[in-house]
Amino acid sequence: AQSVTQLDSQVPVFEEAPVELRCNYSSSVSVYLFWYVQYPNQGLQLLLKYLSGSTLVKGINGFEAEFNKSQTSFHLRKPSVHISDTAEYFCAVTPFNTGNQFYFGTGTSLTVIP
Amino acid sequence: DAGVIQSPRHEVTEMGQEVTLRCKPISGHDYLFWYRQTMMRGLELLIYFNNNVPIDDSGMPEDRFSAKMPNASFSTLKIQPSEPRDSAVYFCASTRPGQGLTEAFFGQGTRLTVV
Repeated sequence: AQSVTQLDSQVPVFEEAPVELRCNYSSSVSVYLFWYVQYPNQGLQLLLKYLSGSTLVKGINGFEAEFNKSQTSFHLRKPSVHISDTAEYFCAVTPFNTGNQFYFGTGTSLTVIP
Repeated sequence: DAGVIQSPRHEVTEMGQEVTLRCKPISGHDYLFWYRQTMMRGLELLIYFNNNVPIDDSGMPEDRFSAKMPNASFSTLKIQPSEPRDSAVYFCASTRPGQGLTEAFFGQGTRLTVV
């Protein structure tokens, strides 16, 4: 079975400050990892994904994430946030070769303060 | 491609009425997912289809919920009768893992309010 834990439900941060949104997962099989962003009244859109290779993954809007297999983590970072980054962020996993189900965390609400 | 298309975007209905939510996946995608999003539970997978066949419906909360996929370009999620606790945002998503695509593409969602 797979599960995803997002440790912070709300993260307030000042504009131009760095931010880290934490994600840990549990799985008995290898997984692909994703971060999605949801702006108000919108669907989810992909920020970045880790499939294999380099553990540091760069995504859209200046975000990056690092896969740490030993700690089963996939934390999302941005060195300098903008007001427009205010949104809900979801971490997700999908196991290799098992029907392509996606398992989502409960989300982290990022609020960027001017 | 226009992406995953859901309709309606908003639905307000009275308790006891039947509600039908619609989804058009991205052309060529062979997996389709229905999710429900609430403040209390976050994103919950209700059911997913592969090649129009329901694979796992263990997330469907009750018999009042049903989903169909009559063809590769259309799916419905029906609630009959609806209850206030069904109020949520319902998302449809699609993907095609067999061709190396790994992420799910989401529609804009249907915001359902049952009064």
